[in-house]
Amino acid sequence: GEDVEQSLFLSVREGDSSVINCTYTDSSSTYLYWYKQEPGAGLQLLTYIFSNMDMKQDQRLTVLLNKKDKHLSLRIADTQTGDSAIYFCAEQSSGSARQLTFGSGTQLTVLP
Amino acid sequence: AAGVIQSPRHLIKEKRETATLKCYPIPRHDTVYWYQQGPGQDPQFLISFYEKMQSDKGSIPDRFSAQQFSDYHSELNMSSLELGDSALYFCASSLGRGGEADTQYFGPGTRLTVL
Repeated sequence: GEDVEQSLFLSVREGDSSVINCTYTDSSSTYLYWYKQEPGAGLQLLTYIFSNMDMKQDQRLTVLLNKKDKHLSLRIADTQTGDSAIYFCAEQSSGSARQLTFGSGTQLTVLP
Repeated sequence: AAGVIQSPRHLIKEKRETATLKCYPIPRHDTVYWYQQGPGQDPQFLISFYEKMQSDKGSIPDRFSAQQFSDYHSELNMSSLELGDSALYFCASSLGRGGEADTQYFGPGTRLTVL
């Protein structure tokens, strides 16, 4: 079955870079996603990467994918206090239904 | 840009009551997904619909049912509510055409509290 794992907590200083890591098990996943969730709020799509890519950059966000190790990371450059939130990685089912399997989420705390 | 709309945003029910949650997908999106997020947990897939037909079922209790209507909105019906059903219920929608079109956009969620 599918299983997605993330470390639970990360603290960084404002202005530093944050790196959130994720491992997944479904080697047939075609797309991998990063979502952001602020307290009591919905899931905001941040970015995604196709499995035949190894890197994708979108403004302050850089996604790295190591398909051999099934390892995904999200780097946030110049982290701001507004980036404090829970970050979920998710893999999309390779079946016809395309549902997402989420990791446990990483609580990012940005210290002033 | 239009987003996924969910109603109500908050709902309080007693045990053994029923609840109906509604989801209005992004215009032109024909695929709807329902997820349940318990306190401090990650979202868990419940059920999905493509072109008004059920496409897959996840960990959805038999007490719950859902459907997608001709205008593509979806409703999640929950009966015999239990305390453990208290959670955030998210709806997501996608274009459902494969590839990047399967990217799911989430609504703000309905917070259900069962007393």
